[in-house]
This record gives sequence, C-alpha cells and structure tokens, in this order.
Amino acid sequence: ETGVTQTPRHLVMGMTNKKSLKCEQHLGHNAMYWYKQSAKKPLELMFVYSLEERVENNSVPSRFSPECPNSSHLFLHLHTLQPEDSALYLCASSQTREGGQPQHFGDGTRLSIL
Amino acid sequence: GQNIDQPTEMTATEGAIVQINCTYQTSGFNGLFWYQQHAGEAPTFLSYNVLDGLEEKGRFSSFLSRSKGYSYLLLKELQMKDSASYLCAVMDSNYQLIWGAGTKLIIKP
Repeated sequence: ETGVTQTPRHLVMGMTNKKSLKCEQHLGHNAMYWYKQSAKKPLELMFVYSLEERVENNSVPSRFSPECPNSSHLFLHLHTLQPEDSALYLCASSQTREGGQPQHFGDGTRLSIL
Repeated sequence: GQNIDQPTEMTATEGAIVQINCTYQTSGFNGLFWYQQHAGEAPTFLSYNVLDGLEEKGRFSSFLSRSKGYSYLLLKELQMKDSASYLCAVMDSNYQLIWGAGTKLIIKP
C-alpha cells in the first residue's frame, strides 16, 4: 500500500475508443505526476501538477489529456490512441515538486491498444 | 541532452553483495534517487543523495560523487526478495526527474 491508488489496473481499448485513467492519493501531497513506462525504456514524464496547476507538459500528443480537479485526484483522458501508446501508465505524488521529496507511485494501469 | 546510464541486467548470489552503478549527465543537479521496482508493482523509494558520500540504510547503501557524475547502490546480504529492477533518477535544475532505464537484478540461490 503506497497511498496512491490507480484504476483500472488493466485496460484494453480500440483506437477509436475514449477512456480515462484515474489516480487518487491519500498522502496529503501537493504535486502529482503522470508517467509512461515502456519495456526496457526509462520512465517518461508526461504531466506534472503542482497545487492543481499544470506545470509541465513534455511534448505529449494531444490524444492524452490530463485533468486535476483537486489535490488528491488526477485523471488521464485518452482518445484515438495508437498501438505505440500501449504501456504501463504510472501516477505518482510528492509533498512538493521541488527539493528532495521522493515520489510515491501507484501500481499503474497496464494499457493495451488493439 | 540529459542522460542516465546503468547496466541493463546483473546477476548475484543469495547472501552476497552487489553494486549497481549509475552515471549521469544532466542540466543541473538537485539530488539523485534510487527506486526499487518488482515486476508488476509500483516503484518504491530507496534512497536520496544530494551531497557527496555514502548514505547507509540497513542492508542498502547509496554513494554519490557529484564531480564524477556517478552514484552506486550497494546491496548487502542479498535475499531472494531483492530480485527486482533498480531505477536511478536525477532531479535536474527544473526539478524534473530524469530516469535511467533500470537495472534488472537476478538473485540466484
């Protein structure tokens, strides 16, 4: 139990579908992150929110759309994805974005695009 | 560009010691993190180094040399449950974590 919960754990969708990934943190943290993890590749930072404001958007395609309605919840809305988007999507949170605060991760959503 | 290098895979024997190296080139430095990730699970935080030297935490120790852009994670008295991937990450000047691809550690009886 890391204090960060992601749902669903597994998702299979077609390229024309629309779905959303959900992340909830119970740690009282102020920063939340979305990462993409592909096999044998480094974690790729997708989005960062600090105090519910987006502070980073690392050249992510517009078919990925984040939403942070409050400091405890983070969503990743998906639409018209491509096969290369199949990966593990990890959510993380930290006390603050700056300094040596470790990030706490959820177990991820394993996404498969048909 | 920013780059983190660590070995892809290492094998060690139960009860032994293993050292996992990490070298980095980043835009600025605000600390280096080590994480452990078991297959199918979340990465979990192991250690943080921001000053040169050795940080010890039980069976695990982490070393940093900022002048050399180098760190290592030392695991002692290896146990089968230590079989996992170990991820090195550096926080750059924008407070963004730059990640290595991870080192898969296989422990044999």
